[in-house]
Amino acid sequence: GENVEQHPSTLSVQEGDSAVIKCTYSDSASNYFPWYKQELGKGPQLIIDIRSNVGEKKDQRIAVTLNKTAKHFSLHITETQPEDSAVYFCAATSGGGADGLTFGKGTHLIIQP
Amino acid sequence: DTAVSQTPKYLVTQMGNDKSIKCEQNLGHDTMYWYKQDSKKFLKIMFSYNNKELIINETVPNRFSPKSPDKAHLNLHINSLELGDSAVYFCASSPQGASNEKLFFGSGTQLSVL
Repeated sequence: GENVEQHPSTLSVQEGDSAVIKCTYSDSASNYFPWYKQELGKGPQLIIDIRSNVGEKKDQRIAVTLNKTAKHFSLHITETQPEDSAVYFCAATSGGGADGLTFGKGTHLIIQP
Repeated sequence: DTAVSQTPKYLVTQMGNDKSIKCEQNLGHDTMYWYKQDSKKFLKIMFSYNNKELIINETVPNRFSPKSPDKAHLNLHINSLELGDSAVYFCASSPQGASNEKLFFGSGTQLSVL
């Protein structure tokens, strides 16, 4: 089955700086890579996703890059704001099946004022 | 307006009891899921279900069973609760043709087994 590694587990950045979270996956059949943001006491919320036929996708201050050859994908957040503080999860899947979305272990992003 | 709602938000119970968690989605989605988040925040799928088939992750004990009275609901029944079942359980749904993609999650049910 798929295995997703996520780093770092905790990331503290100054407000206004950029934050980068990195993930690697093991299954070359995986073709969909979402990122979820989870605030305290809430469920994960999809913030951006990318498919394997695309190398980069951007949505305002967030962007995701994918390197299929190296099986790496990353989340980039620019001009960080206090409301970006949360736990971020990367995930991977090859589509339907019993394994569902395989999640990384999460990154606690702390924005320092 | 809540897209995926689950009840109760908190559930405290004794070992050996049987309990249920309810989930409803008003997004018109075809597939619903149950995920478990342990104390280290690790998220893992338990079930996915649409009107055609139930897919069960092989690691889920048969004490757990999903029940879907209709397309908008997927409830989770747990028999003979054990201490290790303590976790946060999330219901989710996804649009037609997007199995395991673009999931919308509920706000979770924190289950504590004493």
